[in-house]
Amino acid sequence: EVQLVESGGGLVQPGGSLRLSCAASGFTLSDHYIDWVRQAPGKGLEWVGRSRSKANSYSTEYAASVKGRFTTSRDDSKNSVYLQMNSLKTEDTAVYYCIRGTRTGNLWSGYHVVLDYWGQGTLVTVSS
Amino acid sequence: DIQMTQSPSSLSASVGDRVTITCRASQGITNYLAWYQQKPGKVPKLLIYAASTLQSGVPSRFSGSGSGTDFTLTIRSLQPEDVATYYCQKYNIPPYTFGQGTKLEIK
Repeated sequence: EVQLVESGGGLVQPGGSLRLSCAASGFTLSDHYIDWVRQAPGKGLEWVGRSRSKANSYSTEYAASVKGRFTTSRDDSKNSVYLQMNSLKTEDTAVYYCIRGTRTGNLWSGYHVVLDYWGQGTLVTVSS
Repeated sequence: DIQMTQSPSSLSASVGDRVTITCRASQGITNYLAWYQQKPGKVPKLLIYAASTLQSGVPSRFSGSGSGTDFTLTIRSLQPEDVATYYCQKYNIPPYTFGQGTKLEIK
């Protein structure tokens, strides 16, 4: 069974740092992308960042709102993905989800990265 | 960056109704569009990807269509368990932006 379990959330002061972890099980982590999406209280979904698979050189992408402050990394040997969050702002307060991305398709129909399994999320609160 | 705009922001419909939600991209994204359902207090769930491909296990009353800039999510016969907020997301190139969401309620 595919599972993603986030941890590491909590209360942090503005300007502080936090590292979220995402423990993956039930699949081969290196074969998949991992995205991070957040949801502020009562608000919609916001894409945060992506870690591509081993076949795609583990390359990363970030939303403009977090670029330069957040970094995603992974340790496939530990079946874990991390989101290091620095210089946190009050507007970073949200539930953070890690999500498995599966690359599917072909040359003719195009390749699609399907966000098929979501973790339960971990709450990050940035407040003084 | 490409913006994603959903309409309506909220709607109320009766059980058995056909419901349509629209998502418009500010630039063409071919068919790199997904739809998600988030029930109250729950984690989002993938419904459709590649604009019209139903994710495994999703009821067939859900369907998606569109290409380029205009997309629709249709629920053929609304059920009580479909009460949720629905989001579209484009994923051709980063940033992989979500629409603002459409809250669906039962009359």
